[in-house]
Amino acid sequence: DIQMTQSPSSLSASVGDRVTITCRASQSISTYLNWYQQKPGKAPKLLIYAASSFQSGVPSRFSGSGSGTDFTLTISSLQPEDSATYYCQQSYTTPPTFGPGTKVDIK
Amino acid sequence: QVQLQESGPGLVKPSQTLSLTCTVSGASISSGNYYWSWIRQPAGKGLEWIGRIYPSGSTTYNPSLKSRVTISGDTSKNQFSLNLNSVTAADTAVYYCTSATHFYGSYYFDYWGQGTLVTVSS
Repeated sequence: DIQMTQSPSSLSASVGDRVTITCRASQSISTYLNWYQQKPGKAPKLLIYAASSFQSGVPSRFSGSGSGTDFTLTISSLQPEDSATYYCQQSYTTPPTFGPGTKVDIK
Repeated sequence: QVQLQESGPGLVKPSQTLSLTCTVSGASISSGNYYWSWIRQPAGKGLEWIGRIYPSGSTTYNPSLKSRVTISGDTSKNQFSLNLNSVTAADTAVYYCTSATHFYGSYYFDYWGQGTLVTVSS
């Protein structure tokens, strides 16, 4: 299985801050990388697919980049409603695997 | 808009079989550009993909669970189901059904059910 890691595991930032979350794959996955947001008690919500493509309806402050083994999710201006856990997921090989998550809190 | 809804018992005894059904609306499980998957999440932990069923009815499972898992589809009801046998406390989790859309050789999980908590306990 391809192992996914994320850093940091958690962060606390202020409204308006620029936030960057990093995801690393244990082997090259091209751009087969998706990002999800999960709020407590809710199902994950797709934000970004294929490393940098926006899912319909997702605010433009969210963006993704990267290829190969290293990827980033950026929130350009953090909003209170962005408090959540963020997961990356590779779809390069089966089984698809998820990162352990990054919890984002608002200061 | 695709909608998914999980249903099934919330409590299963150890060594028995966990059975869940996902009812799909807004898309047909037997056609189109979707795979249909089950994903689970133990409390406070990350996400684990269990397996998927294709519109053709063929299936693929996570090797870590393959010996215990069966996913099947009922096209007449537009539902797909999960059976996980010989369960233990380690199988206690929220179980999600999802759709996955193909995208240039890749795919992403775009629609999710609300999730259902299954507890394994005697």
